[in-house]
Parts: sequence; C-alpha cells; structure tokens
Amino acid sequence: QLQLQASGPGLLKPSETLSLTCSFSGGSIATGSYYGAWIRQSPGGGLEWIGSVYYSGTTYFKPSLNSRASISIDTSKNRFSLTLTSVTAADTAVYYCARENWAEGWFDPWGQGTPVTVSS
Amino acid sequence: QPALAQPAAVSGSPGQSITISCTGTSDDVGGNDHVSWYQQHPGEAPKLIIYDVANRPSGVSYRLSGSKSGNTASLTISGLQAEDEADYFCGSYTTNGMRVFGSGTQVTVL
Repeated sequence: QLQLQASGPGLLKPSETLSLTCSFSGGSIATGSYYGAWIRQSPGGGLEWIGSVYYSGTTYFKPSLNSRASISIDTSKNRFSLTLTSVTAADTAVYYCARENWAEGWFDPWGQGTPVTVSS
Repeated sequence: QPALAQPAAVSGSPGQSITISCTGTSDDVGGNDHVSWYQQHPGEAPKLIIYDVANRPSGVSYRLSGSKSGNTASLTISGLQAEDEADYFCGSYTTNGMRVFGSGTQVTVL
C-alpha cells in the first residue's frame, strides 16, 4: 500500500527558500496517469493545490505560484521535492504531498503533512 | 482564496442525513465530471471519499454519496454517525487543466 511522508524545515524567515521532500514507499507514483502533487493548507483551513510532477519531470503549477515554485522527482530514490522561493508569511501552512490521478484530478493517498511557519 | 464555495458548517443529529454543497463555475465544477470530495479529521491528512462526482473508493462507507447539478456538486451523508464529524472539502479539475478546492465544511454531529 502506497504511503507518502513529507518532510522539511519547520521555520523560515521571509525571503528565504523553502525546500520540502516527499518520500514514498509501498508502491510508485511513476505509473500510468499518476503524478506526485504538493498541496498546502493554510491556518484558516483552506486547501490549495501548488503543483504536480510526472515521473518524466513534466510539471504543472498553480499560475499564481508558478514563478516561485519548482518540483523535481527522483524515481530511483522514491521521492519528489518542492522548492518555493522568496517565502512570506502568506506561505505559512501545513504542506502535504499526495499521489494524483492526473486524468481525473483526484488525490489519494495523502502523506502526513509537514508544518511550515514563515516568521522573522 | 478558495475557488469553490462551501458552507462553513453543517450539523445534524445521529441517523439524520445532511448535504454539503460545493459551488463553482462552468470553468470547474460545471465544466467536467471530475469532482472529488475529501474528509479530514482533526490532526490528520485529508482522505479521498468521492471521485468523479459520485464514485466511492474501496472501503468508503456507502452512506457517503455524491452528485452534481450544473455548477454545484453535493455530498450527502446518510445515517449520520459520530465518526462522520470532520471537515469536508470538495475539489475539481478546471477547464485549463488546473485543480481547485473548496473552502471546507465542518460537520458536527449533535
């Protein structure tokens, strides 16, 4: 059974770069129409899709984050990573990684999220 | 802010049925049949409970059902139980290939 786990630094200062890694086990996201995705949940509770990566390295991002976000994948190490530059307090959230069915737009399973706080 | 509108809170007594709405536009909910729903208990990650408007993944209770009419999708929980108390989010594919989520609904079992 596929399991994912996000990890990364919990605290950053404004203007720094956020780097998160999603490690997965018990299966693969690099098959068929599945992608690896990053989603975040703000303190107010809402979910926001950040972007997704295919095993080939093809990526898609939410337009408003496109200039700051990048996602890479290393299938040999069963992990994919998110980089978000020039963070601000608005980037404070719990960050989740998930497997996405790209053709149908659903996310399952989700990893246990990692909290990120941006504060000076 | 979230692209899809949901009621902030819905409540019901055990055994009752409740319905949560998810309203978007013709660019998302109304433009395709790829609406999904997620259940999130406190301190946990969201869990997929409905995909493609009305399909339940294996292991999800038959008491949860989804539907859609126009730009509004709905999640109905029948025979409400204490374990159904959680936050629920809808999600949709968009016509330009992006993904959007709803604002979330807190379900309380009275």
